[in-house]
Amino acid sequence: AQTVTQSQPEMSVQEAETVTLSCTYDTSESDYYLFWYKQPPSRQMILVIRQEAYKQQNATENRFSVNFQKAAKSFSLKISDSQLGDAAMYFCAYRSAKAGGTSYGKLTFGQGTILTVHP
Amino acid sequence: DSGVTQTPKHLITATGQRVTLRCSPRSGDLSVYWYQQSLDQGLQFLIQYYNGEERAKGNILERFSAQQFPDLHSELNLSSLELGDSALYFCASSRGESSNYGYTFGSGTRLTVV
Repeated sequence: AQTVTQSQPEMSVQEAETVTLSCTYDTSESDYYLFWYKQPPSRQMILVIRQEAYKQQNATENRFSVNFQKAAKSFSLKISDSQLGDAAMYFCAYRSAKAGGTSYGKLTFGQGTILTVHP
Repeated sequence: DSGVTQTPKHLITATGQRVTLRCSPRSGDLSVYWYQQSLDQGLQFLIQYYNGEERAKGNILERFSAQQFPDLHSELNLSSLELGDSALYFCASSRGESSNYGYTFGSGTRLTVV
């Protein structure tokens, strides 16, 4: 079974600064997808960024980028020019790309990291 | 508005009772996923339905059951409720049996068992 670990329960950053959230995962599969979700106080789960394991290039979405290290099974999220609206709980998630498996569509989440942004 | 609608938003009930949580997926989405978010367990996958059929099952208790109806909305039934069932229950949806682009989540139902 796959597991996802976020070792930082809480992180803080000054507005306009850069912060990196860590995520490691354990899997025996070679093909999979990784995601970062944001959960603000409104509780809504919002997709921030995604990475396909077969692509070596790190995904980027505006101020958000990832450092994907497949061999190390590491998937960190970098937030540049942090804004007050970035304050939220961030979840790393894994999904198998193995079609037809009994857990094919399932997302496995880490425990989350609470990000505080200081003005 | 994500397009995934969950009702009710809040629910307070007593131990031993039964409740039904409802989810309407985003228009055109055939898969519905249910997740439980609690303080001690984090976000746990419960069950997935695709076009009316159960497709994947997680750590769902026997006291819990779900179904997806022909109009594709889904209901999660929780019975013999215990204090530990208090949690935020999310529904998510996707077009196919899974999505390479992540899932669209609803805003959740906050269940409090007293």
